[in-house]
Amino acid sequence: DQQVKQNSPSLSVQEGRISILNCDYTNSMFDYFLWYKKYPAEGPTFLISISSIKDKNEDGRFTVFLNKSAKHLSLHIVPSQPGDSAVYFCVGYGGNQFYFGTGTSLTVIP
Amino acid sequence: GAVVSQHPSRVICKSGTSVKIECRSLDFQATTMFWYRQFPKQSLMLMATSNEGSKATYEQGVEKDKFLINHASLTLSTLTVTSAHPEDSSFYICSARDSGGPGNEQFFGPGTRLTVL
Repeated sequence: DQQVKQNSPSLSVQEGRISILNCDYTNSMFDYFLWYKKYPAEGPTFLISISSIKDKNEDGRFTVFLNKSAKHLSLHIVPSQPGDSAVYFCVGYGGNQFYFGTGTSLTVIP
Repeated sequence: GAVVSQHPSRVICKSGTSVKIECRSLDFQATTMFWYRQFPKQSLMLMATSNEGSKATYEQGVEKDKFLINHASLTLSTLTVTSAHPEDSSFYICSARDSGGPGNEQFFGPGTRLTVL
């Protein structure tokens, strides 16, 4: 059972515009959420996290929003840059376990 | 959806003992599995790539004699931490690539927390 879902397998955005990556989850007991970025042939790189008691966390161009009532979180990247092109994984952490989404491939078009 | 399981989910062991962690793809075949180490709020560090029926490929700096990987079947890879020490305490996460999938999708296991006393 997929407890973290990323329903959009891919997303294309023009350089300079906002990229919004969405994630839904079913487990209300997650302690925090993480976003990882992954380039081909490399391991995922930690990007940003948010505690389940927060609704927003911002780090430079990256902002994560958490809507607990909707069990939904999103990662906003603004402005998007070509180097942001990668696969983004949404991860829920709870009960001493990680639950990965299936990833969204972001392409930023120059 | 594709599911990857890991066993055990957590293990505590004494220094000097060996620990085996299993990674299984439950509903798909995976010719390639990956082993990662997770440091707190840091990136997942790729340790090795496990290929079914052949030797694993280790990343630079990872001791292959300490972290033994066996990928004996299309659904199972094991990581054995030999002569574990407290500095080996970490989260170990595996992922599996769906051989029959349309793309290079990777599915991650839930992780195994190893604590070495």
